[in-house]
Amino acid sequence: EIVMTQSPATLSVSPGERATLSCRASQSVSSNLVWYQQKPGQAPRLLIYGASTRATGIPTRFSGSGSGTEFTLSISSLQSEDFAVYYCQQYDNWPRTFGQGTKVEIK
Amino acid sequence: EVQLVESGGGLVTPGGSLRLSCAASGFTFSSYSMNWVRQAPGKGLEWVSSISSSGRYIYYPDSVKGRFTVSRDNAKNSLFLQMNSLRAEDTAVYYCARDLASSISCYVDWGQGTLVTVSS
Repeated sequence: EIVMTQSPATLSVSPGERATLSCRASQSVSSNLVWYQQKPGQAPRLLIYGASTRATGIPTRFSGSGSGTEFTLSISSLQSEDFAVYYCQQYDNWPRTFGQGTKVEIK
Repeated sequence: EVQLVESGGGLVTPGGSLRLSCAASGFTFSSYSMNWVRQAPGKGLEWVSSISSSGRYIYYPDSVKGRFTVSRDNAKNSLFLQMNSLRAEDTAVYYCARDLASSISCYVDWGQGTLVTVSS
């Protein structure tokens, strides 16, 4: 099983600042990496797939990068609606596995 | 508009069974792989099962293999999850989710979730 490790667990950021979230895979997942955003009481929302492709309707301030075992989600200028929990997930191998999440909170 | 509506959750005693359903609309259901993902209270996301568009290919993690069975009825645009031998650790909100595309196994559309509570 591929273990996905996200860091940090919590990120405190001021509105308008840049946020950088990391995700590491225990073995290569190529570019088969997804990022989701989840707000309290809501289902997750697909942000990025293929490590760097924004899903339909996702603002350009969200960007993904990386391949192999190291991945990054960047939010260029945090808006109030971006404070949420972010999960990475690999779809290179079965079982599909998620990271434990990074909570982005208001500083 | 894509809609996924789960139902069938509730309170069940350990060792009991429950069958979840997911009614799909707004897309050609028979063309997409479908999935179940769960989230225990206050915890992260856990993939539970996947079924290919035809139902031919099915996958589970070890944590539910042998206890859970996923199925689908393409004529009725419905996805199911039969859960047997339930344990306290199966307590979670269960989401059904649609794959983005045939070659991209990530979850673009999600239902609102149904809560399963396993407790005596």
